[in-house]
Amino acid sequence: DAGVTQSPTHLIKTRGQHVTLRCSPISGHKSVSWYQQVLGQGPQFIFQYYEKEERGRGNFPDRFSARQFPNYSSELNVNALLLGDSALYLCASSPGPENSGNTIYFGEGSWLTVV
Amino acid sequence: TQLLEQSPQFLSIQEGENLTVYCNSSSVFSSLQWYRQEPGEGPVLLVTVVTGGEVKKLKRLTFQFGDARKDSSLHITAAQPGDTGLYLCAGYMEYGNKLVFGAGTILRVKS
Repeated sequence: DAGVTQSPTHLIKTRGQHVTLRCSPISGHKSVSWYQQVLGQGPQFIFQYYEKEERGRGNFPDRFSARQFPNYSSELNVNALLLGDSALYLCASSPGPENSGNTIYFGEGSWLTVV
Repeated sequence: TQLLEQSPQFLSIQEGENLTVYCNSSSVFSSLQWYRQEPGEGPVLLVTVVTGGEVKKLKRLTFQFGDARKDSSLHITAAQPGDTGLYLCAGYMEYGNKLVFGAGTILRVKS
């Protein structure tokens, strides 16, 4: 079975542009979460979606938004990109909501560079 | 300020040596997890500890959760070059639903 898949794997954007990152969870998983990992730091929680509803939001500005589709895949959108948005964006999936005893599985991430 | 403080930040040792990585907080966690991340990949879960004082062993790795559920440690016996990577502790705070990560410990094991 395929693991968590993310696309694109690498991309370069200019300040002020918009980016959409995509994530397909493991088959059967209904929860998707997004994390930002800046070089040299641990991942920081951005969003969690379960059954297409937002279940949690981290301390990120409104430029960050996300949604989950009926097939449980998800998109992370970032508007008005800043240089500081350069990071590895990780998607994780789990069978049920996080913090309910479910193991979460991470994808390999999307490397975003803002120039 | 990180909710979970990991130490040391970087560790370079020779093959065969033992090491311990620490993860500390002033907050109580309902569970703590340890992950290993290699360059270009996402974190991979090693273990979850949920009970204060719990000790879990995974081959040469020993994980401990503090009695007060505020800290954890990872001990590696006879480290091997294949253990090289970024080790992350992460946890769910009591009544929280988001996974909080430490900044990580970069381990390099030289042969």
